[in-house]
Amino acid sequence: DSGVTQTPKHLITATGQRVTLRCSPRSGDLSVYWYQQSLDQGLQFLIQYYNGEERAKGNILERFSAQQFPDLHSELNLSSLELGDSALYFCASSVWPSSGANVLTFGAGSRLTVL
Amino acid sequence: AQKVTQAQTEISVVEKEDVTLDCVYETRDTTYYLFWYKQPPSGELVFLIRRNSFDEQNEISGRYSWNFQKSTSSFNFTITASQVVDSAVYFCALSENDNNDMRFGAGTRLTVKP
Repeated sequence: DSGVTQTPKHLITATGQRVTLRCSPRSGDLSVYWYQQSLDQGLQFLIQYYNGEERAKGNILERFSAQQFPDLHSELNLSSLELGDSALYFCASSVWPSSGANVLTFGAGSRLTVL
Repeated sequence: AQKVTQAQTEISVVEKEDVTLDCVYETRDTTYYLFWYKQPPSGELVFLIRRNSFDEQNEISGRYSWNFQKSTSSFNFTITASQVVDSAVYFCALSENDNNDMRFGAGTRLTVKP
């Protein structure tokens, strides 16, 4: 158990729907990252939050949004879902800022299937 | 922008064979960090090693060893005497000078057969 908790583990929904993925970071970690892993795109960085504020943004679609709450858990909202959004969504956390680059601790992922 | 290339998509070996997973990176920064992560069939990404650009010493941890060569922009990973439990997808990743955008390679799927 990495200490990073993601729910749900599996989610099946239909095109056009909206889903919310939840992540609780490892105890003591202030930074949360979201990654998307799909067969054709590999592991793509989506967005990072630190202590409630957005710190970095990657290849995140406008239909997607995220936030980090005061208790440090984070939610990734995916709307107007398309078939191509089917993927494994990872949350990771780290102690950031820190000296040197962060070691990200990943959760088990949420597998989203859009039918 | 940083880039990581793992040219080997899939590797299959028989147990007890040694295997090397290649990783080549591109970056303009002089300070950067390289990582290897393992993704077993269970799906979770497990951190294996971090190396900064100023430390070219090779590292050994049990059956795992890493060869960092700045001259060839490579950070290769060798598993000695492979075991079935080593079967997983292995990702190499690069982070530039505390950049929060960690870039992953496409991964190498290693299958170790009994």
